[in-house]
Amino acid sequence: SQQGEEDPQALSIQEGENATMNCSYKTSINNLQWYRQNSGRGLVHLILIRSNEREKHSGRLRVTLDTSKKSSSLLITASRAADTASYFCATDGNQFYFGTGTSLTVIP
Amino acid sequence: SQTIHQWPATLVQPVGSPLSLECTVEGTSNPNLYWYRQAAGRGLQLLFYSVGIGQISSEVPQNLSASRPQDRQFILSSKKLLLSDSGFYLCAWSIAGANTGELFFGEGSRLTVL
Repeated sequence: SQQGEEDPQALSIQEGENATMNCSYKTSINNLQWYRQNSGRGLVHLILIRSNEREKHSGRLRVTLDTSKKSSSLLITASRAADTASYFCATDGNQFYFGTGTSLTVIP
Repeated sequence: SQTIHQWPATLVQPVGSPLSLECTVEGTSNPNLYWYRQAAGRGLQLLFYSVGIGQISSEVPQNLSASRPQDRQFILSSKKLLLSDSGFYLCAWSIAGANTGELFFGEGSRLTVL
C-alpha cells in the first residue's frame, strides 16, 4: 500500500521561481525522505528529515515536517531547468513507501 | 564505493512468456534489497523486500516472485507474464539496520508485455 501522497500532481514554473510540493502520509514515521527521478531513470535521494525535526535545509532545498498533520513540504528555491523531474516523498520502516509523485517542469 | 547494477535495461516480452530481472549490489554486505514497480506516470509500488538470503517479503499478491540466492543478488521472476506486468521495475538497496534510511536505486528495467 502507498503511504505518501504528493500534491500537486504536476507543477510548471518559470526558471528562477520557487517550487513547493507537499506530501501527506498516513501512519507514524521515524523519518521522511524526498527523492528525485529524472524521466526513465532511477530515483536519487535528496534529503531526509527525522520525526523530531521540523525543518531541514540542503542547498536550494528546504524541507518541513509537521507530524501532527502528517505532512511534509519540499521547497526548491531559484529553480533551474535542470530541476525538471518528478519528486517523491517516502516514509520509512523495514520497507519504504512512496507517494505518487509531483512532476515538476521548469521552463527556461 | 557501493554500486547497484540492474539488467536488462529494456525488455519486450510476449504474454505468457517467463521473466527474469536481475539486480546485484557491490561494495556492501548484507544489504536490504527491494523491488519496486512503476506504472507509466504513476508512483512506485513496493513489490518485494528482503533482509537476508532466502528471506523474501511480498507486499502485494501478484504474478511475480522474487528470490535472493546470494547476499547481494536479487532476482525478480515470472513464469507467465500478463499484459498488466508491463512497467518500469526498479531495484534498490539500503543499509541493514542503519538509521539513515536512504535507498539507493538502480537505473531500472523497462518491461513491455505484448
